[in-house]
Amino acid sequence: GAVVSQHPSWVICKSGTSVKIECRSLDFQATTMFWYRQFPKQSLMLMATSNEGSKATYEQGVEKDKFLINHASLTLSTLTVTSAHPEDSSFYICSAAGSSMSNSPLHFGNGTRLTVT
Amino acid sequence: GENVEQHPSTLSVQEGDSAVIKCTYSDSASNYFPWYKQELGKRPQLIIDIRSNVGEKKDQRIAVTLNKTAKHFSLHITETQPEDSAVYFCAEGGNFNKFYFGSGTKLNVKP
Repeated sequence: GAVVSQHPSWVICKSGTSVKIECRSLDFQATTMFWYRQFPKQSLMLMATSNEGSKATYEQGVEKDKFLINHASLTLSTLTVTSAHPEDSSFYICSAAGSSMSNSPLHFGNGTRLTVT
Repeated sequence: GENVEQHPSTLSVQEGDSAVIKCTYSDSASNYFPWYKQELGKRPQLIIDIRSNVGEKKDQRIAVTLNKTAKHFSLHITETQPEDSAVYFCAEGGNFNKFYFGSGTKLNVKP
């Protein structure tokens, strides 16, 4: 149980274009999902908390107008990187808790490797 | 909280030896401490976790200890094997399943 699916697994786009990444909870409902970014040989940095039916909560230093998050249903959250630039190239990973209880293990999607040329 | 420090950044051990990775945190409200293993290019996988009402938890060759007073917790891997080689991340969380990760430890187990 608690499977999180993320798509696409990799994407290459040109500078200035936008890229959408999808994160789905396959066998459970996730009122909250989390988006992380991981640069090479670095840790996972929390970008934002995606809340179903309401606005996302962004971490300090993360531009909400650049990283658009939509949590349209209890099983789907999307992250759109708008006007992507080479410095946005990174590994983006979504996650969700398998339970609505606090302090449940996070289950991660497979990640999306974004390369902006 | 956001301040999670993890040491060491790299660790090299001989197969069969033990490996210990330590993390400290600053948020006294944190009450859940998972450890994740990440292989190159893959997603993190939960390997063990501990909650603040427990001081130690063991699962075969892996154990985690928690000292809430000192705000630190450690991962212990015994009888290491080459397939244990990976990057390990500690994390801490409080309410709402919001987690912050340590900087990671690259473990290399030499055969």
